[in-house]
Amino acid sequence: DIQMMQSPSSLSASVGDRVTITCRASQSISIYLNWYQQKPGKAPKLLIQVASRLESGVPSRFSGSGSGTDFTLTISSLQPEDFATYYCQQSNTSPPTFGGGTKVDVK
Amino acid sequence: QVQVQQSGPGLVKSSETLSLTCTVSGGFISNWYWSWIRQPAGKGLEWIGRVYSSGTTKYNASLKSRVTMSVDTSTNQFSLSLSSVTAADTAVYYCATGDAAFDIWGQGTMVTVSS
Repeated sequence: DIQMMQSPSSLSASVGDRVTITCRASQSISIYLNWYQQKPGKAPKLLIQVASRLESGVPSRFSGSGSGTDFTLTISSLQPEDFATYYCQQSNTSPPTFGGGTKVDVK
Repeated sequence: QVQVQQSGPGLVKSSETLSLTCTVSGGFISNWYWSWIRQPAGKGLEWIGRVYSSGTTKYNASLKSRVTMSVDTSTNQFSLSLSSVTAADTAVYYCATGDAAFDIWGQGTMVTVSS
């Protein structure tokens, strides 16, 4: 199975900060990388597909980039509703696998 | 818009079979992939497998010997069975659309395996 490694595992930030989360795959996955946001007690929400395609309704402050093995999720200006845990997930090879998550909390 | 509602027991005895169902509303179950994903408390997400509306399945090899998924197009429902459960199967179980990216999720069912 392809291993997905996220860093950092947690970070503290303030409203208005620019936040960057990285995800690295154990082998090349082309652009088949998705990002999710999960809040406590809720199901994950799909934010970005195929590395950079924003889902409908997702604010434009979220962006994704990367290809091959290295990917980035950026939140350009952190908003109060963005404090959550973020997961990457590869969809290049079955089984789909997820990163361990990055928890973004209040500084 | 399509929504999925999960149902099933939250407590299963060790060595028995976990059974969960998702009911699709706002659309038809046909021509979609339907996946099951689980998340142990405080941990990450694990894809269990998926079923297509035709009944074709694909399971994660780590659970394949214990998993059965099915779909009932007449009731717009799809189901998960996981046999011979142990404490390691305690988790929140989600159903979701898709088999590559998962864009519509159920509300989650916390399943505890008791001894």
